[in-house]
Amino acid sequence: GENVEQHPSTLSVQEGDSAVIKCTYSDSASNYFPWYKQELGKRPQLIIDIRSNVGEKKDQRIAVTLNKTAKHFSLHITETQPEDSAVYFCAASTEGGSQGNLIFGKGTKLSVKP
Amino acid sequence: GAGVSQSPRYKVAKRGQDVALRCDPISGHVSLFWYQQALGQGPEFLTYFQNEAQLDKSGLPSDRFFAERPEGSVSTLKIQRTQQEDSAVYLCASSQNTGGAFHEQYFGPGTRLTVT
Repeated sequence: GENVEQHPSTLSVQEGDSAVIKCTYSDSASNYFPWYKQELGKRPQLIIDIRSNVGEKKDQRIAVTLNKTAKHFSLHITETQPEDSAVYFCAASTEGGSQGNLIFGKGTKLSVKP
Repeated sequence: GAGVSQSPRYKVAKRGQDVALRCDPISGHVSLFWYQQALGQGPEFLTYFQNEAQLDKSGLPSDRFFAERPEGSVSTLKIQRTQQEDSAVYLCASSQNTGGAFHEQYFGPGTRLTVT
């Protein structure tokens, strides 16, 4: 089955710096890759996603890149702000049929220091 | 509009007790997922419903775990004879997921289960 590895497990940056979180996946059939942000004690919330027919997607300060050949994808946050501090999870999934579940990485705790 | 809701938000059970966790998905969402999130870990898939059909239960850790969605809306996750290793946050998510194409999975706030 699918396995998703996520690095680093913790990341500390100064406000205004960029943050990069990387994930690799094992199943070449995976074709949907969302990123979730989870604040302490709160529910995971989708911040951006990408499908395998796209190499890069950007939404304001957040961007995701996907390399299907290497089976890895990355989250890039620019101009970080203290409110970006949270745990970020990458996930992989396969669309269609009876499948639908997300396989999550173990998470990256991002701390943005003012 | 209303998001995914779960009840209870917190549950303390003594080892050996049965528990039932409820999920109310977003109205009209076809797909419903249950995940288990241990402390400091990512959510792990338990089971998946498309309407009332349970299409995948491969993530249920043992036969003590049972889920149902009899009318294709509200779902209940039942854990029989709870064990300490069942302590976790149980997350429910729903999505439109029509035509084989994924839409965003919206998560509920979770039920934090503590087995003593």
